[in-house]
Amino acid sequence: DVKVTQSSRYLVKRTGEKVFLECVQDMDHENMFWYRQDPGLGLRLIYFSYDVKMKEKGDIPEGYSVSREKKERFSLILESASTNQTSMYLCASSIPPGGLGYTFGSGTRLTVV
Amino acid sequence: GDSVTQMEGPVTLSEEAFLTINCTYTATGYPSLFWYVQYPGEGLQLLLKATKADDKGSNKGFEATYRKETTSFHLEKGSVQVSDSAVYFCALTSGGYQKVTFGIGTKLQVIP
Repeated sequence: DVKVTQSSRYLVKRTGEKVFLECVQDMDHENMFWYRQDPGLGLRLIYFSYDVKMKEKGDIPEGYSVSREKKERFSLILESASTNQTSMYLCASSIPPGGLGYTFGSGTRLTVV
Repeated sequence: GDSVTQMEGPVTLSEEAFLTINCTYTATGYPSLFWYVQYPGEGLQLLLKATKADDKGSNKGFEATYRKETTSFHLEKGSVQVSDSAVYFCALTSGGYQKVTFGIGTKLQVIP
């Protein structure tokens, strides 16, 4: 069964900490995505990547960065965590063209205190 | 830009009731349309899809038809079960097909 695996289901971090959220897929997908999900706002795209070492900003990239050193791994980095980054973070992958849909990970619920 | 509109809910139904969740979209070109489902505590799963006008996607008793003339992709099920309780997201891809635009999600609660 194909999978997108997010390293943590729940994380609690302190304000100002540097936070790494890891995502690994075993489907040899070219495209990988990070979304955050908030009540009343749905899913919002943070960053995405079409290839190794390639990244593109999504709709809400401020306060975040990403790294894709290997095809199967896409990391989301919160440079200095803030309380307004408390959210559910979802990683997804797909093969081009995206008309085949995404495969999502189970999500990481991050709380910044 | 592209957008997807759906009601947030919650939608509360009794078991075996008929379900409709409305979805309308705005997009350039010819989008592919999707419904995703998110069960409590989990990520999103692809439920069904349609890639061109008049296509009908179906899965697990759910159906949706791509209506280009009304720019709609309404989700229907003839008889819901308690296990269908989840959040349902309408979504589309267009243009380069690389990014998905999601609706806000509709929470469905099915009571016995």
